[in-house]
Amino acid sequence: DTAVSQTPKYLVTQMGNDKSIKCEQNLGHDTMYWYKQDSKKFLKIMFSYNNKELIINETVPNRFSPKSPDKAHLNLHINSLELGDSAVYFCASSQTVPGANVLTFGAGSRLTVL
Amino acid sequence: AQKVTQAQTEISVVEKEDVTLDCVYETRDTTYYLFWYKQPPSGELVFLIRRNSFDEQNEISGRYSWNFQKSTSSFNFTITASQVVDSAVYFCALSEMNYGGATNKLIFGTGTLLAVQP
Repeated sequence: DTAVSQTPKYLVTQMGNDKSIKCEQNLGHDTMYWYKQDSKKFLKIMFSYNNKELIINETVPNRFSPKSPDKAHLNLHINSLELGDSAVYFCASSQTVPGANVLTFGAGSRLTVL
Repeated sequence: AQKVTQAQTEISVVEKEDVTLDCVYETRDTTYYLFWYKQPPSGELVFLIRRNSFDEQNEISGRYSWNFQKSTSSFNFTITASQVVDSAVYFCALSEMNYGGATNKLIFGTGTLLAVQP
């Protein structure tokens, strides 16, 4: 059983379109995250949710809207896609232990905007 | 500001060589956690180790060992007798503690690409 699963794994779309990436975890964790990895492999947090509540929002454009229907799911919706949105998006989850959280990552979703 | 520096962008070694990946961090927190993650060519991120700021003991796990030195703000990672399967990007990360305990933010270094040649 995959612990953190993301769909789709690959996404190719045109500029201006809207797309979503879904994430589910079966680890019983309370906290979920979205990280973005750019073409230079740099990893940066975008959002964090704890028990469906938004905790971290790292100056991400408001074209990106995370949604957490329950603590096992955290989806990412992106409006009006731009070329610069091309990246690998990683979902992760962890227990809620201050600072000590070991994040379990999904396999990543590679988004290509043409 | 919190920061993690991995000065080695790429390292290439021949199988069976030992290799050390450097990690230097900056933080004003007195309590913090450091991590190493591995990203093989398949792309997933695999957790390797977590170390808290109060525990400076070196850790060894098979061919992997970690050297944490608060005096130099470093958390270096050594692979002994490297193998081709060790080829990956390795990330060092620091946990930022300023979110009231509800969650934490990992600040990643830029990664070191390790290529182990047969």
